[in-house]
Amino acid sequence: EAQVTQNPRYLITVTGKKLTVTCSQNMNHEYMSWYRQDPGLGLRQIYYSMNVEVTDKGDVPEGYKVSRKEKRNFPLILESPSPNQTSLYFCASSSYRDPKNEQFFGPGTRLTVL
Amino acid sequence: DQQVKQNSPSLSVQEGRISILNCDYTNSMFDYFLWYKKYPAEGPTFLISISSIKDKNEDGRFTVFLNKSAKHLSLHIVPSQPGDSAVYFCAASAPKNSGGSNYKLTFGKGTLLTVNP
Repeated sequence: EAQVTQNPRYLITVTGKKLTVTCSQNMNHEYMSWYRQDPGLGLRQIYYSMNVEVTDKGDVPEGYKVSRKEKRNFPLILESPSPNQTSLYFCASSSYRDPKNEQFFGPGTRLTVL
Repeated sequence: DQQVKQNSPSLSVQEGRISILNCDYTNSMFDYFLWYKKYPAEGPTFLISISSIKDKNEDGRFTVFLNKSAKHLSLHIVPSQPGDSAVYFCAASAPKNSGGSNYKLTFGKGTLLTVNP
């Protein structure tokens, strides 16, 4: 089944404790991206990757890091989480060959930073 | 500066009637528009899209209309069904040669659609 998976789905942590949210897709997509969803703000892009070893900042990159060492994986790293990073996070992927420019989303990771 | 705006946080319609969800944008470089649907506890799923070279795209019960001069698009759902109850996001992308990226989507804040039986 074609899908984007994220782990963990739920995470409660404390300020300053480094964490990684993993994202993996099995569709051989070149493009991957991370978004956060906050009440009243919709979906905002954090980072994106056009291909392996190619990443760039989205609209709200502060406090986050990413890496793209393999085509299928795009982990999101919070080196020193803070309470304002409490949010619902989505990973997405898409193919350059898709004329609809459709992005496939993972199920989300709900992060709480105390 | 919000480039994609969905000014109605919520919309309620009766089953069988038409649902019209609206979206406005400010960036004239946007050339591709998409609608996503999101159920609670799930990721957004693609619904329908439209290129700026068209003014209408239809897929079953879903039709998207684009008015470039007004920088406005709308999603029509006919007939509406209770299973359509979800949050609907409008999204837009700009071509790379305009400083954007075909693959970077800018989302609106979403509209919660409730279809009553």
